[in-house]
Parts: sequence; structure tokens; C-alpha cells
Amino acid sequence: AQSVSQHNHHVILSEAASLELGCNYSYGGTVNLFWYVQYPGQHLPLLLKYFSGDPLVKGIKGFEAEFIKSKFSFNLRKPSVQWSDTAEYFCAVIPPFFGNEKLTFGTGTRLTIIP
Amino acid sequence: GAGVSQSPRYKVAKRGQDVALRCDPISGHVSLFWYQQALGQGPEFLTYFQNEAQLDKSGLPSDRFFAERPEGSVSTLKIQRTQQEDSAVYLCASAPPLTAIDYGYTFGSGTRLTVV
Repeated sequence: AQSVSQHNHHVILSEAASLELGCNYSYGGTVNLFWYVQYPGQHLPLLLKYFSGDPLVKGIKGFEAEFIKSKFSFNLRKPSVQWSDTAEYFCAVIPPFFGNEKLTFGTGTRLTIIP
Repeated sequence: GAGVSQSPRYKVAKRGQDVALRCDPISGHVSLFWYQQALGQGPEFLTYFQNEAQLDKSGLPSDRFFAERPEGSVSTLKIQRTQQEDSAVYLCASAPPLTAIDYGYTFGSGTRLTVV
């Protein structure tokens, strides 16, 4: 069973449009949540992470994400996208199993920004 | 260096050849992870070390895959008798202890393996 789901496979937006990428996970209990970005041929810089506390998390490059426990969701948002945001975006989870530090990734969402 | 370093950046292997991929983690990071990323997919977990101990190798797809981290720093992922389905980007990541307040994985740029 898919433990991390990213519903949007490919999103195309114009510059200055608002962005929301969906991420749902299937674990109960306390989870650690992450969003990573991958530019072509590059590694995976971390955009933001949620461990506990304020469910609205702010990350780099103007991105933010909201953890909604009741919906098992951690959607990524940006109010106004730029052409340079064109990349692949991955949601990832560390499940709530003691001693487990293994990141489980979603299948990714490809974001294309049209100038 | 400041980041996770992987070498080689690209590797072309003939089917049946053995390959070795190297990962230099961030100094002081006790955890080290290997992931496999096929084209158009998210990274898939292969194996995990804490210092020199391999705590989880459940993601290794076959006994042709072997990883080691003998001194708790540099790690090598070895693939024996490569097959075309092994073609992928192999990502290494390191992290401080889970209890560290600044916990987070840092990924390397990966090794793109192409088996022909």
C-alpha cells in the first residue's frame, strides 16, 4: 500500500499564480514530514520539515506547508510562483516506528512554470 | 567538505560488470542512507547505517547489491553482475542523530548508473 501519496503528477502554472501541491500519508501516530525539491541533474535540497509545534511551517524560497492531522495531509503552498520554481517536488515521511529513521518518499509532482 | 559527496557522478557499465559507488557523508553525521531513484520515480530506500552498523537493508533488491561502511564514515554501494534494470540514480544521504534539534537528511548529487 502506498504510504505517501502525491495526487498531482504534473502541474503547469503561469508565473505569479498560486501553488498548492497535495501530500497525504497513511500512518497513524506521530510522523515527521518533509518536502524536498529536485532540479534536473541535481540532488535533493530540503524545502521545509515538520516535527511538532505550529502546524504551519515556513521553508526556503517562500514555500510553506500546513500539517492537518485530521486529514493526514501536509500540502505545500506558495502564494506566487516564479519560473525558477520549475522542478520536481517530493513529499516524504519518517513513519512513527521506534528507531526508524527511514524516509519514505511519494512519487513526486513535476511543476512547470510558464513565463 | 560541507555537503555529501558522491563519486563517480556518472557510470556506464556493461551488463554483467561489477560497479562500486562511493559516498562521503558530512563529517559527524552518524546515519547514512542509500536510495535508488528510477527515471520518473521518487527515491526508494535501499539501506541504512548508523555508524558502521547496517541497521536496515530491507530495500536492497537482490543479493547482487551490497553496502558497507567499515569505519563509520565513507560508504560504498557495490552492485555485482549489473543488469539493465539496475540503471538508475543512486542517492546517498547522511543525517545527525534523530534526536538532534536540527535533524534532517542531506542528500548528495547522486551517481547516475547506466547499464548497457
